[in-house]
Amino acid sequence: DAEITQSPRHKITETGRQVTLACHQTWNHNNMFWYRQDLGHGLRLIHYSYGVQDTNKGEVSDGYSVSRSNTEDLPLTLESAASSQTSVYFCASSEGGTRIHEQFFGPGTRLTVL
Amino acid sequence: QQQVKQSPQSLIVQKGGIPIINCAYENTAFDYFPWYQQFPGKGPALLIAIRPDVSEKKEGRFTISFNKSAKQFSLHIMDSQPGDSATYFCAASKGAQKLVFGQGTRLTINP
Repeated sequence: DAEITQSPRHKITETGRQVTLACHQTWNHNNMFWYRQDLGHGLRLIHYSYGVQDTNKGEVSDGYSVSRSNTEDLPLTLESAASSQTSVYFCASSEGGTRIHEQFFGPGTRLTVL
Repeated sequence: QQQVKQSPQSLIVQKGGIPIINCAYENTAFDYFPWYQQFPGKGPALLIAIRPDVSEKKEGRFTISFNKSAKQFSLHIMDSQPGDSATYFCAASKGAQKLVFGQGTRLTINP
């Protein structure tokens, strides 16, 4: 069955370290998204991509970067982790056209920055 | 800038009751309004969605009511069950643009 996976599921790192969170989907979806979830803020969009080589900044993109070299993967990199980036991170994907907003979410990565 | 405001932040209802979660939006160009359901330790999943050309949509025990003039929409859960206990997010979008999510509501259904 098609799915979307994230790794690692849990990560503890130190301030200033570079961290990369992986997202892999087998839906063959063109659209992929990264969100962070924090209590009281809901889901906030970090970066998104509408296809290979396409990346766009979301609402809270400072300190994060993404790259899209193939359809299946959209890794999220924290260039220099900060305590404010402690959060739960979700990757999502969707088809194009009329189903663009039906997003399928991964299980999440809980990141702690000490 | 928060464009979709969701309330309440948490809600406790007895089994069989009808929890109601409300959302208000600012951008009148929004044309797609989904609700997502999230269980602990899982990612959100699309539950039900509505477009502004209708005032109500039902799928099983879940109903979206939409009030275009008030720029509000709400989720009702009929005959609620303990298994409905989850966090619910409303969202909105314009055309093919990205979704904007509300803050979420943690719903608890007591047996």
